[in-house]
Amino acid sequence: GAVVSQHPSWVICKSGTSVKIECRSLDFQATTMFWYRQFPKQSLMLMATSNEGSKATYEQGVEKDKFLINHASLTLSTLTVTSAHPEDSSFYICSASPDHRVGNTIYFGEGSWLTVV
Amino acid sequence: AQSVAQPEDQVNVAEGNPLTVKCTYSVSGNPYLFWYVQYPNRGLQFLLKYITGDNLVKGSYGFEAEFNKSQTSFHLKKPSALVSDSALYFCAVRDIANFNKFYFGSGTKLNVKP
Repeated sequence: GAVVSQHPSWVICKSGTSVKIECRSLDFQATTMFWYRQFPKQSLMLMATSNEGSKATYEQGVEKDKFLINHASLTLSTLTVTSAHPEDSSFYICSASPDHRVGNTIYFGEGSWLTVV
Repeated sequence: AQSVAQPEDQVNVAEGNPLTVKCTYSVSGNPYLFWYVQYPNRGLQFLLKYITGDNLVKGSYGFEAEFNKSQTSFHLKKPSALVSDSALYFCAVRDIANFNKFYFGSGTKLNVKP
């Protein structure tokens, strides 16, 4: 079945540095991918929609310059957390689907734990 | 706007007993509802979905959910709980403009005790 893969699964970075998280659709093409953020013991909050070949669409309250999203190909979207701070520490999950029909299933990546120290 | 609510932060049930995890929805238009499960430190796994058709939807691992339009609910159920069912469960609704965009409930932690 369809698989979405994220890398890295775990990352620790120093405060002030940038870190990149990749989301790949392994056996299908995805014109859109979605990035979510999950704080411990909380729900998933949609951050942005990653659009292949165009700018990402950010949800209200999400800083575009802080969370850079690039969707350079039909199988890869990247989320870069710039100038990371400890409050950016979170679990980041991406999702994608082979098509946009109402009955399709969305597939989620395994998630990436970011810890900023 | 689309939204779902999960009124219980935690549900405790004994192994072998039936379980119910509650979800209510608020949508404009037809509801497209989903249940996902998340095991510790992992991504989300799809359990089941309601798009149209029968109100009782059967999904993975013996789970089912009943769509109730009059009560705007989509409760997740299982006749006999297993300890391995212990996890975090999320109800979600799709955005009507972009079907691949989800809005999640706050999550319910299911604890199944032996």
